[in-house]
Amino acid sequence: GAGVSQTPSNKVTEKGKYVELRCDPISGHTALYWYRQSLGQGPEFLIYFQGTGAADDSGLPNDRFFAVRPEGSVSTLKIQRTERGDSAVYLCASSTAGGPYEQYFGPGTRLTVT
Amino acid sequence: DQQVKQNSPSLSVQEGRISILNCDYTNSMFDYFLWYKKYPAEGPTFLISISSIKDKNEDGRFTVFLNKSAKHLSLHIVPSQPGDSAVYFCAANGGSNYKLTFGKGTLLTVNP
Repeated sequence: GAGVSQTPSNKVTEKGKYVELRCDPISGHTALYWYRQSLGQGPEFLIYFQGTGAADDSGLPNDRFFAVRPEGSVSTLKIQRTERGDSAVYLCASSTAGGPYEQYFGPGTRLTVT
Repeated sequence: DQQVKQNSPSLSVQEGRISILNCDYTNSMFDYFLWYKKYPAEGPTFLISISSIKDKNEDGRFTVFLNKSAKHLSLHIVPSQPGDSAVYFCAANGGSNYKLTFGKGTLLTVNP
């Protein structure tokens, strides 16, 4: 079966621009997570969806970051007024339910802000 | 404040020998632990997990040991193979949202 997919795989944008990153989870997975990985670090939690609702957005760094999952499947991470410090790999993961289950990761989107 | 620590940035072993990767945690609320493997330009791949009610879990060449009193876990790979060369991340969760807290990773190199 298909794994988690993310598009685009790479995104280069200028400082101040708006970007959208898309995640398509494994079919049937109700829990969806976004993480951000900077160079030399492990992934860091951003936001967690259970179904359509954001159950925990405590990892979002500031109000320039926002994510949606309107139909409980595909999710979009939106970043306004991008800054150079936003450059990182953005990872999406999904799991069968919001429980202590394994999370399955997509390949990530590498965002570069110039 | 690093709640999950992998103190060895890198490890090099010979093919066929045992690889031991270590991880320490500080948060007593963590009750589920996972190991992920990551190749360059790919997302992390789930390897093995362990619940805090166990002290060992085995899957083929991979075994994870958990020492709750020491807040320490380790991943053993026996025998190591060149294809195991990758970055290994330890992760933990606890509480109701199941978000993962990761260590910084250990780069394992298995030499033929």
